[in-house]
Amino acid sequence: DTEVTQTPKHLVMGMTNKKSLKCEQHMGHRAMYWYKQKAKKPPELMFVYSYEKLSINESVPSRFSPECPNSSLLNLHLHALQPEDSALYLCASSHFATGSTDTQYFGPGTRLTVL
Amino acid sequence: RKEVEQDPGPFNVPEGATVAFNCTYSNSASQSFFWYRQDCRKEPKLLMSVYSSGNEDGRFTAQLNRASQYISLLIRDSKLSDSATYLCVVNIAGNYGQNFVFGPGTRLSVLP
Repeated sequence: DTEVTQTPKHLVMGMTNKKSLKCEQHMGHRAMYWYKQKAKKPPELMFVYSYEKLSINESVPSRFSPECPNSSLLNLHLHALQPEDSALYLCASSHFATGSTDTQYFGPGTRLTVL
Repeated sequence: RKEVEQDPGPFNVPEGATVAFNCTYSNSASQSFFWYRQDCRKEPKLLMSVYSSGNEDGRFTAQLNRASQYISLLIRDSKLSDSATYLCVVNIAGNYGQNFVFGPGTRLSVLP
C-alpha cells in the first residue's frame, strides 16, 4: 500500500479565515513533506519533517504553520492567506532511509482558492 | 544556474514514436534520481527510479550518467495515455533531511 491521503480535496477560504489541511500515511514512513504547486510549474518544497521534527523550512511565510502530531499525520494550518497563495498543496512521504534510494509518494493534493 | 534543468518542451509526437527526455543536475552530492509523471490537475506519480546501470520498465528506459550529471528517459512506442508532464527529481539528502528537488518538467503530448 503506497497511499497518502489528503483532506479536503478542495478548499475555498477568505483572507481572514483559519483552516487546516490534513495528510495521513500508514506506510511507516518517517519523513513527510508539504509542497505548493502553481499551474504549469513544478512542486515547490515548503516543509520537511523527519521523525516528527521539522528539518527543512524553505523560508515559508508564517501564515503557513506546519504540525506533525505523530509519525502518520501532517497538518498545515493556514491563517490570513493572500489570493496569491491559491495553489495545489501536495503532501508526500518517504522512508527517510539514509544512504539508499529513498522514494517519495504523493497524496492527491488539496486545491486551495483564497478569495 | 537552476539545480535541476530539463528540456523545455512541449514535445508533440505521433503515436508509436520514440521520445527522449533529458535532465541535468548541478549538485554533485545528489544521491538518488527519479522520473515522475504528472497528469493535469493530479499529483506526481513515480514512474521509475534511475540507477547508474540504467533500468528498463516495459517501454520506458532510464539512464544516469553521474560523471556528466545527466539523466535521461526514453519512451518507445508512445501511447496516447503517455501524454503528461514528466518531472525529473533529484534527492540531495543531508543531515537535515531529505531534499527532493524537482526540475521544471517537460510536457509530452502524444497525438493520434
